[in-house]
Amino acid sequence: DGGITQSPKYLFRKEGQNVTLSCEQNLNHDAMYWYRQDPGQGLRLIYYSQIVNDFQKGDIAEGYSVSREKKESFPLTVTSAQKNPTAFYLCASSKTGRSGANVLTFGAGSRLTVL
Amino acid sequence: AQKVTQAQTEISVVEKEDVTLDCVYETRDTTYYLFWYKQPPSGELVFLIRRNSFDEQNEISGRYSWNFQKSTSSFNFTITASQVVDSAVYFCALRGAPTGNQFYFGTGTSLTVIP
Repeated sequence: DGGITQSPKYLFRKEGQNVTLSCEQNLNHDAMYWYRQDPGQGLRLIYYSQIVNDFQKGDIAEGYSVSREKKESFPLTVTSAQKNPTAFYLCASSKTGRSGANVLTFGAGSRLTVL
Repeated sequence: AQKVTQAQTEISVVEKEDVTLDCVYETRDTTYYLFWYKQPPSGELVFLIRRNSFDEQNEISGRYSWNFQKSTSSFNFTITASQVVDSAVYFCALRGAPTGNQFYFGTGTSLTVIP
């Protein structure tokens, strides 16, 4: 079955360490997204990519980095520059075209905790 | 500006009661899309419905129904005869057609159905 796989599901990090969250999709979607979810704040966009080798910053990109070397993969690195990285991270993908109409499909999320 | 407001942070109902989740949006786009997603305790957001700005017909799917009113910029979601399995966080989202790149999510409404 097609879907989005995020790993790891839970991750603990010491302060000052970079960590990378994996996101893989087999839906043949062109666009991929990373969202951060904090209690009471809904989903905030970190980065998105509409095509391989191209990505744009979202609303809260500071302290994060991404790459899009393959259509299926969109890993997110949480760097030591991110001051408050403890959160739930959601990866999503969608088709492009039919501007605005395409539905986001989400992965199960990765919960990062900084010790 | 694009904005989605879900004023109800938490709602508790007793099983079999009806419950309505409110969603109010702001946009300057003439063409836009509205969405509802469900986030069960497992964390993955599940797509429920999409509605475009030109279609104001209400929709019913089983126990779920949606009331879209452009005059009040609202897209409310009603669950009839609620069940324990309906317990989740529900997000309303807006996507403008001209750009189509970003979803704007509300802060979510946490619904608890008490058996």
